[in-house]
Formats: sequence, C-alpha cells, structure tokens
Amino acid sequence: EAQVTQNPRYLITVTGKKLTVTCSQNMNHEYMSWYRQDPGLGLRQIYYSMNVEVTDKGDVPEGYKVSRKEKRNFPLILESPSPNQTSLYFCASSPRATGSEKLFFGSGTQLSVL
Amino acid sequence: AQSVTQLDSHVSVSEGTPVLLRCNYSSSYSPSLFWYVQHPNKGLQLLLKYTSAATLVKGINGFEAEFKKSETSFHLTKPSAHMSDAAEYFCVVSRAGTASKLTFGTGTRLQVTL
Repeated sequence: EAQVTQNPRYLITVTGKKLTVTCSQNMNHEYMSWYRQDPGLGLRQIYYSMNVEVTDKGDVPEGYKVSRKEKRNFPLILESPSPNQTSLYFCASSPRATGSEKLFFGSGTQLSVL
Repeated sequence: AQSVTQLDSHVSVSEGTPVLLRCNYSSSYSPSLFWYVQHPNKGLQLLLKYTSAATLVKGINGFEAEFKKSETSFHLTKPSAHMSDAAEYFCVVSRAGTASKLTFGTGTRLQVTL
C-alpha cells in the first residue's frame, strides 16, 4: 500500500534530550516536507527536500535538523528539544517538486516536551 | 511572497444545507491552490486542486471550488452537507512550477448539525 509512515505516533520527552522522528515513503517520491500544526496557526513548514541530498528551510526551521540521504527517508531531528516545540508534526511527500502535485501525508506525531 | 487567509475559523451548518468555506490568497506568481481536509486524529487528505486549467474545480465527496483571479479567492463549496463532512479544512497556496514553499491557511473547522 502506498503510504507515508511516521514514527512514533506519540512521544513525550524532556527538555534537551535529543530525539528523531522518522518519516518514510514507499512511492519513490522526489519531494518530502515536514510541518508542525499548532492551534490557530494551521500548518507551518519546517524543512523540505526537493530530492536526495537537497534540503532547504521552510518558515520555522529554528531548532530542527533534517537529512535526505536516501530518497525514501526524511527524518526530523531535534538536537535539544524545548517546550515550545510541543506540537503535532506531519511529514508529507509528493511525486515531483513542481508545486502542483498532491501531497501525501503521514498520520502525524504528537510531541510533548516537558 | 505568498499568503493565504481563511476568513472563518469556524463554520456551522445543518445537514443537507450548502457549505461555503472562504479562502483568499496573495501571490506574486501564478499560484497553485489546494483544499485539504483533516478528520479528527488523521493526516490531511487532498480534496481538490487548481493548477491553471479550468477555473471551476471539482473534487472528492461533492466538493468544488472556483478560482477567481480578480477577487484573489478560492472558496470551497458543497451543495448539501453531510455529517461525515465535519472536519477541519485547509486552503493552501504554492507557486506553480516549484514546490519550494507551500503556505497553509489557519484552517476552518466545519461543524454539521442535525
């Protein structure tokens, strides 16, 4: 089944403890992106990747890192999480990086930083 | 630069009555426009998209939207609401030809009552 898989679904951690949220797609998509969703703010783009080894900042990249070593995987890394990074995170992918393609979303990761 | 404004954070309709969710956009380029729906505890799903073809776009589940360049609007409509339409809806703008940045609206929560 074609899908975007995020793990974990829920994560509770403490300030400063490094964590990684994984994202994998099995559709051979070129474009992948990370978003955070906060009440009243909609979804805001954190980082995106146009293809392997090509990543760039979105609107809210501070405190996050990403890598795209393989086409299928696009992990989101929080080196030193802080409480203001408590949020619902979504990974998404699309076949090509044209801006006109449908985005396929993962099920989300609810992160709480204490 | 681009932005999107969803004019209502919450809309309530009775089952069987029309739905109107309003979206205005701003873009320095030719935009691609999308509507996504998010049901509780789920990822986002594409309803429909506009990519410079027909200005009236039909989507899934009976939804449609009309691109009006003169009004910079892309309102989402449905002739008759169903209980299963209760969800959060996001209007999204991107620059046609590149997926470098997608900008989401803050969302409209649709409530459907009996």
